[in-house]
Amino acid sequence: DIQMTQSPSSLSASVGDRVTITCRASQGISNHLNWYQHKAGKAPKLLIYGASNLQSGVPSRFSGSGSETDFTLTISSLQSDDFATYYCQQSFNTPGTTFGQGTKLEIK
Amino acid sequence: QAQLQESGPGLVKPSQTLSLTCSVSGGSISSGNNHWNWVRQPVGKGLEWIGRIYASGSAAYNPSLRSRVTISIDTSKNQFSLKLTSVTAADTAVYYCARANWFGKLLTFDAFDIWGQGTLVSVSS
Repeated sequence: DIQMTQSPSSLSASVGDRVTITCRASQGISNHLNWYQHKAGKAPKLLIYGASNLQSGVPSRFSGSGSETDFTLTISSLQSDDFATYYCQQSFNTPGTTFGQGTKLEIK
Repeated sequence: QAQLQESGPGLVKPSQTLSLTCSVSGGSISSGNNHWNWVRQPVGKGLEWIGRIYASGSAAYNPSLRSRVTISIDTSKNQFSLKLTSVTAADTAVYYCARANWFGKLLTFDAFDIWGQGTLVSVSS
């Protein structure tokens, strides 16, 4: 099994801040890494696929980078709508897939 | 734009079988090369992939749940279903169905682009 580890587990930030969330894979996964935003009571939302590709309709303040084992999700200027939990997901060893444990982004 | 909706009992007794259905609207479950997934989130915890199925009926499961899980598909009803046997309190969770689509110039990346709203299933006597 490929394990995905996110850091930090939680993060406090203010509107306008630049925020970076890290995801590390237990083995190389090329760029088969996706990022999701999840708000309580809502369906998760795909933000980034293939490590760095912005899903259609997602604001450009979101960006992703990385390859093999180390990945980052960056929000360039936090908006009030961005406070949520963020998950990374590896899709390298299909059919199986695994998610990180999540990073909860809270208002400071 | 396709939409997914989970349905099924919100309460299941320990040792019994959890059964959920995901209804797909706004598109055919047989179109493209999508695969159809179940994901769950125990209260206060992260997302856990349960398994997936193609329209052909080919299924795959999380190894940790494989002995208890069956996912099936009914293309005539545009639905797919989850059965989880011998449930315990540890199976209490919000259960989501999700569509996996293929992205990129060579369609090499799959990601879950459409999700249902989720349904809470509690296991309790």
